[in-house]
Amino acid sequence: LAKTTQPISMDSYEGQEVNITCSHNNIATNDYITWYQQFPSQGPRFIIQGYKTKVTNEVASLFIPADRKSSTLSLPRVSLSDTAVYYCLVGGVDSNYQLIWGAGTKLIIKP
Amino acid sequence: NAGVMQNPRHLVRRRGQEARLRCSPMKGHSHVYWYRQLPEEGLKFMVYLQKENIIDESGMPKERFSAEFPKEGPSILRIQQVVRGDSAAYFCASSSTLGWDTEAFFGQGTRLTVV
Repeated sequence: LAKTTQPISMDSYEGQEVNITCSHNNIATNDYITWYQQFPSQGPRFIIQGYKTKVTNEVASLFIPADRKSSTLSLPRVSLSDTAVYYCLVGGVDSNYQLIWGAGTKLIIKP
Repeated sequence: NAGVMQNPRHLVRRRGQEARLRCSPMKGHSHVYWYRQLPEEGLKFMVYLQKENIIDESGMPKERFSAEFPKEGPSILRIQQVVRGDSAAYFCASSSTLGWDTEAFFGQGTRLTVV
């Protein structure tokens, strides 16, 4: 199971684009990259998942370089309500439920 | 379609008592996963169940902890003879098929406090 490294915390301001990078040097061929968001006193919520290149949905974009040893979650025009902890997870289809959750990145959005 | 429902949201137990945490998966989901989260930490996998079967309990402490997912009713995580170190948030997630590429959904958690 691939281990991930993320910044412990980040600050930004409303209206800015926020990029959170995750390192996963020992990612395996079959591993997907998944990002979750967690608000205080809430369960994690799925944001986006990708395997390679770029994935975009209504909430975020995920950029994955060719070597897949890192990935960047991009949140466009953040608002105060985007203040949360963001987790990067890496794992294969057969073992994803055992994903190793790090401490995540605590993102604080300021007015 | 209600999401994953966990109850109670908050549970206070004295040392030595039993704690029972319930999780009702989303409609149509037959896979349930339990996790524990300590403050300022990520989730730690405990157990994975399908209806009436424990598929993987590699993350469960060997003693005092047990889980079930009966044919009818919610999944139950039971902690016997609780100790202060059991205080944590316990989350369950459910999915319709094996594997997180199909996006598992989490409940809001049960916060257990042992006094």
